[in-house]
Amino acid sequence: DTAVSQTPKYLVTQMGNDKSIKCEQNLGHDTMYWYKQDSKKFLKIMFSYNNKELIINETVPNRFSPKSPDKAHLNLHINSLELGDSAVYFCASSQDSPDGYTFGSGTRLTVV
Amino acid sequence: AQSVTQPDIHITVSEGASLELRCNYSYGATPYLFWYVQSPGQGLQLLLKYFSGDTLVQGIKGFEAEFKRSQSSFNLRKPSVHWSDAAEYFCAVGATGGSYIPTFGRGTSLIVHP
Repeated sequence: DTAVSQTPKYLVTQMGNDKSIKCEQNLGHDTMYWYKQDSKKFLKIMFSYNNKELIINETVPNRFSPKSPDKAHLNLHINSLELGDSAVYFCASSQDSPDGYTFGSGTRLTVV
Repeated sequence: AQSVTQPDIHITVSEGASLELRCNYSYGATPYLFWYVQSPGQGLQLLLKYFSGDTLVQGIKGFEAEFKRSQSSFNLRKPSVHWSDAAEYFCAVGATGGSYIPTFGRGTSLIVHP
């Protein structure tokens, strides 16, 4: 009955590979997000997406792309992985209002 | 654009002692304000939020926060800390017009001594 679930929890991969992280929410929320948390715990918004609008943080490289097959899923696809992509990636969801987020437990990505 | 500052990177308290974590924001109007807690290896959990009205808000786990417009602050407090409160705490501020995607502070790590 997990509200926001991400898979995998850990991902170790080589530079240059392409990988995806999956996210699903069962809260009926309108909007989903991807955040990147770096080694200093700084959280940076990458994308927000609802059925009306995709908002992209302009600092995110175009190697990162969100893919949403339906309202309950927002997957993150990363092409040509680089060492600097190593981080913890969090999925979150909310109603289409400033009501606070529900976060997943994160995916720790390590690029070697 | 809004911004948020958490001036303390680490805070150490003894179990049973009171706690105050500082948060200062920058925004041209009254923003939306949040506190989240992150336990090791976990995602962030919403502790409390302020949108309007009573400036003292109560949250989960015995936490409260007070919005002070004159000081642009939203400090988190707890009267008696438990060892299980050891975690990372994030303050976040959201704009009240247009996109309200919050901006997070850099977090304060709370260490609790027995």
